[in-house]
Parts: sequence; C-alpha cells; structure tokens
Amino acid sequence: SAVISQKPSRDICQRGTSLTIQCQVDSQVTMMFWYRQQPGQSLTLIATANQGSEATYESGFVIDKFPISRPNLTFSTLTVSNMSPEDSSIYLCSVEDEGVGQPQHFGDGTRLSIL
Amino acid sequence: QKEVEQNSGPLSVPEGAIASLNCTYSDRGSQSFFWYRQYSGKSPELIMSIYSNGDKEDGRFTAQLNKASQYVSLLIRDSQPSDSATYLCAVGTGGFKTIFGAGTRLFVKA
Repeated sequence: SAVISQKPSRDICQRGTSLTIQCQVDSQVTMMFWYRQQPGQSLTLIATANQGSEATYESGFVIDKFPISRPNLTFSTLTVSNMSPEDSSIYLCSVEDEGVGQPQHFGDGTRLSIL
Repeated sequence: QKEVEQNSGPLSVPEGAIASLNCTYSDRGSQSFFWYRQYSGKSPELIMSIYSNGDKEDGRFTAQLNKASQYVSLLIRDSQPSDSATYLCAVGTGGFKTIFGAGTRLFVKA
C-alpha cells in the first residue's frame, strides 16, 4: 500500500489563526480523504479531494473553514482556518487503494491543539 | 443516514483467550468491510478486509461477514497484551465513501 507522509505531526496554535496540513503520498492516487478525529471519537470525514476539481465536503464542513488543495496526484493540503478551541482534534489524511471497494490507508495524523 | 454500530467497550479478555468484536451496519447495499486497529495516539491501521459472506482468516485474526444480518465480526485468537487497542469497523457504501464505526476498546490482561 501507499506510504503517506503527513506534516506537521502536531502543533499548538492560537485561536483565530490558521494552519495548513500537508499530505504527501509516494504514488499517484485518484482520491485523497481528510478526516477529523476528536478525543475518544471515531473518524469523521471532512472532505474528499480529487485532483483537478473542487473538493467535496461532507455535511457540517464548509470550504471557508477547511479549504483543501489537490494540485497533483500525490499531494494535498487541508487548512484549518480561524481556529477555535473546538477545532482541537487529530486531522488525518488517507488514500484508497485503486479499485472499487478497496480499503483506505492513513497518514500518521496531525494533533492540533488550540489555545 | 448510513450507520456503523459498535459496542464501545471496553472489552476485557485474559491473555490467550479469544476476543470477539462485533459490528452492525445499516446500508444493505454495502459490499466491502474492513477492520482497523488503532493504538492510543496512533492512526488507524488496516488489519482485515472482507467482501463475501463467511469467514476469512489471517494469522490470529478471523473476520466474519453475514450480509443477510448486516453483521461483521472480528475474532482475535490467543489474545496478547499487544492487541490492546481500539478496533474500528468500517463499511464501504459504494463509490468512494467509507463509514467508520466509533470503535471498540479492547484490553488484554496479562
């Protein structure tokens, strides 16, 4: 499966600021996914990023708050904008093995704390 | 709303026992089913995929699928303390969407 590098691994930010998380894959992939995992909770899909088109956001997530870029088939960024303490979470990127119904594999995640 | 349900646990088993983890899903059209292991502070790691009714074995792990009952399970034989983690059930609902359950915490006592 693909090797996924995510950075930063963790950060502590001031409220009102923005942070961009990078996700690099060692092979070309069609779809990249961004998830949020709040403490003790499961994974919540933020959006799906397809190269060359606008990201598709899930209910409750908007582009102004979580802008996503997907400039090529191996890279994506997620920005968490105008952060508040409620944004403290782990943010994970994932890619899906090629083919229908294949599993996803995750990067190591970004642990974000907002003061 | 498509859902994946798991008992949150914790499920506590003694070392060497069989741990049984269960999951139900709501979308009858689901075709792909996955189990992930997540250690505290780490990201989820795929341990099993299953697509057809019946059992699939991989080492100490056995995944069981019953589409008629919309039920997936994971058995861990000879449980070890290193198996202590949260186990996430995930269901592929078609297209590129995968729904994750909230996870079951497993604790294996030495």
